[in-house]
Amino acid sequence: GNSVTQMEGPVTLSEEAFLTINCTYTATGYPSLFWYVQYPGEGLQLLLKATKADDKGSNKGFEATYRKETTSFHLEKGSVQVSDSAVYFCALIGFSGGYNKLIFGAGTRLAVHP
Amino acid sequence: NAGVMQNPRHLVRRRGQEARLRCSPMKGHSHVYWYRQLPEEGLKFMVYLQKENIIDESGMPKERFSAEFPKEGPSILRIQQVVRGDSAAYFCASSPTGTGGHNEQFFGPGTRLTVL
Repeated sequence: GNSVTQMEGPVTLSEEAFLTINCTYTATGYPSLFWYVQYPGEGLQLLLKATKADDKGSNKGFEATYRKETTSFHLEKGSVQVSDSAVYFCALIGFSGGYNKLIFGAGTRLAVHP
Repeated sequence: NAGVMQNPRHLVRRRGQEARLRCSPMKGHSHVYWYRQLPEEGLKFMVYLQKENIIDESGMPKERFSAEFPKEGPSILRIQQVVRGDSAAYFCASSPTGTGGHNEQFFGPGTRLTVL
C-alpha cells in the first residue's frame, strides 16, 4: 500500500542554517506530494505541493522537488528562522480504493535557535 | 471564503461521557475526512464521508466511534463512553472532489479532546 517515510526528529538548527528534511514514499501510480506544517497548538497548513515528476513546489523560502526515480520529496530551506520552528509532515495523495487518500509521514519537529 | 471550521476547539470529558466533535467544511466542499493525532505522533486517517454517505471508515475503532455527514449541517464525530486513551487532537479536512485527481485537503484547526 501507499506509505510515507520521513526522517526522525527533532532537528535542531541555528538561525540561518540550511535545512533538509528527508521524505521518501511508496505508492502505486502517480501520487501528488505535499508538505504540511503544524505550528504549536494549531492545525495543519499546506506549505507546498507537487503533482507530477520533476515538479518543484516552493513557498516561504521552502522548496521540494518531486523525484520519481528516487521516490523522494525532500524539504529544503536555505536559511531558517526561529519562526520556522514547527512540525513538518510529508504526505501523499494516492488514488486508492476509488478515491484520494491522504497518507502522512510521522512528522519531523524542527527547532531553530537564535 | 471561510476555511474549515471545527468546534469546540477544546473539549474536556470525564471517562464514560460522550464527546461530539463538529466540522463544517469549506463552502463548496462536499467531502470530509477525519484524522486523529495522538500526542507526539502523526495524523492517522479515521473516516471519509460524503454527504449522507460513509465512504471509508477503515481507520475508525470498531466500537464507541461513529461519524456522520448529514444533508444539512456539519459533520459530527461522536465518541461514546470516552476513555483516557481517546485524548488526542481530532482534525477535520475537506476537499471539493474525492476521486481521480490531486486535490489537496484543507484542514481545520482541530479539536483537542482531554479525557479526565
